Amino acid sequence: GAGVSQSPSNKVTEKGKDVELRCDPISGHTALYWYRQSLGQGLEFLIYFQGNSAPDKSGLPSDRFSAERTGGSVSTLTIQRTQQEDSAVYLCASSVTGYPYEQYFGPGTRLTVT
Amino acid sequence: AQSVTQLGSHVSVSEGALVLLRCNYSSSVPPYLFWYVQYPNQGLQLLLKYTTGATLVKGINGFEAEFKKSETSFHLTKPSAHMSDAAEYFCAVSGETSGSRLTFGEGTQLTVNP
Repeated sequence: GAGVSQSPSNKVTEKGKDVELRCDPISGHTALYWYRQSLGQGLEFLIYFQGNSAPDKSGLPSDRFSAERTGGSVSTLTIQRTQQEDSAVYLCASSVTGYPYEQYFGPGTRLTVT
Repeated sequence: AQSVTQLGSHVSVSEGALVLLRCNYSSSVPPYLFWYVQYPNQGLQLLLKYTTGATLVKGINGFEAEFKKSETSFHLTKPSAHMSDAAEYFCAVSGETSGSRLTFGEGTQLTVNP
């Protein structure tokens, strides 16, 4: 079946602009995660959804970052007033129902803030 | 809090040689442990996982790992390296107190020389 998909694959934006990153999880997976991968910080957890709720959003680095999930499916990660330090690859993952099941990752969105 | 340490950010082996990638973890609760592989410009692919039961776990592509509680280790091995094994490898831990998030090590870049 189809895996986790993310769009766009690449995004270049100017500092100060808002961006939206999209994730389509595997059909039937109730848990969805966002991670960020950057050279200086490695792989960092951002937020976890179970259904449409986010019981753990402790990894969001600032209030410029927000995420939502609708219909228990698609999720959007929004970054407002982007900064150069936001440049990274944003990875989305889904799993059947959270801990302790394995997470399946999408290909990521490479965000470059100029 | 949980943490993962991968010893050696770069490992180089000859084709046909043993692959050994080291991972040590810190966890206050019984951990679930994972190894993921990332090929260039792709997302993360699960190689294997340890949850409970047998401490020697086998994964895809001939990889295996052994959970050693006394050493807090989960090293990844493969008896004979192939050129196609060249990639970045990440060890990760999750545990009940951390919810469903994965905490990753810094990654190990594996190079396979002909």
